[in-house]
Amino acid sequence: QVHLVQSGTEVKKPGASVKVSCRTSGYTFTTYGINWVRQAPGQGLEWMGWINSYSTKTKYAEKFQGRLTMTTDTSTSTAYMELRSLRSDDTAMYYCARDTNWGFLDYWGQGTLVTVSS
Amino acid sequence: DIQMTQSPSTLSASVRDRVTITCRASQSISNWLAWYQQKPGKAPKLLIYKASTLESGVPSRFSGSGSGTEFTLTISSLQPDDFATYYCQQYNSYSYTFGQGTQLEIK
Repeated sequence: QVHLVQSGTEVKKPGASVKVSCRTSGYTFTTYGINWVRQAPGQGLEWMGWINSYSTKTKYAEKFQGRLTMTTDTSTSTAYMELRSLRSDDTAMYYCARDTNWGFLDYWGQGTLVTVSS
Repeated sequence: DIQMTQSPSTLSASVRDRVTITCRASQSISNWLAWYQQKPGKAPKLLIYKASTLESGVPSRFSGSGSGTEFTLTISSLQPDDFATYYCQQYNSYSYTFGQGTQLEIK
């Protein structure tokens, strides 16, 4: 069965960086892309970006351009999301999700809570 | 960027009711639309993709329709497990947008 398992809770100070991992299993990693979606407390879902796990081509939402980097490690079937210059409004649950390559997300990680606080 | 507008934001209904949630796109997205269900503290779950295709394992009381700019999610007979928040999501050239969500509450 398909599983996406994310790294644990993070607490960061404003201005710092965070790197969240998403370890996948149960399918051929390079066949599907990975999206990252976040959800601030009590708010809706916000798409952050996508990475092609085979080519490593990326597409980021405009609001994150310049401080977001998505990468993959095919040897461990793991995707990574790094967000820099953290602000308090980056406090959110961050999810990775498998992209079917048809535009919808069929398997999701359990989420990683990132808290940004001084 | 394509904007997605869901309505209503909150919906109160009873078990066995038929409910419909609407999602409108700011420009045509053909049928590149998905619906997700999210329960508190959990990751979203895919319900419907390509506007009307039911994901495997999702009960048949869920259905989706629409194309272009207007889409609907219908639950034909609400069950207790269906009270949750629902999101639509569009896909266009590897750029995605979610609607703001519809919270389905017990009346």
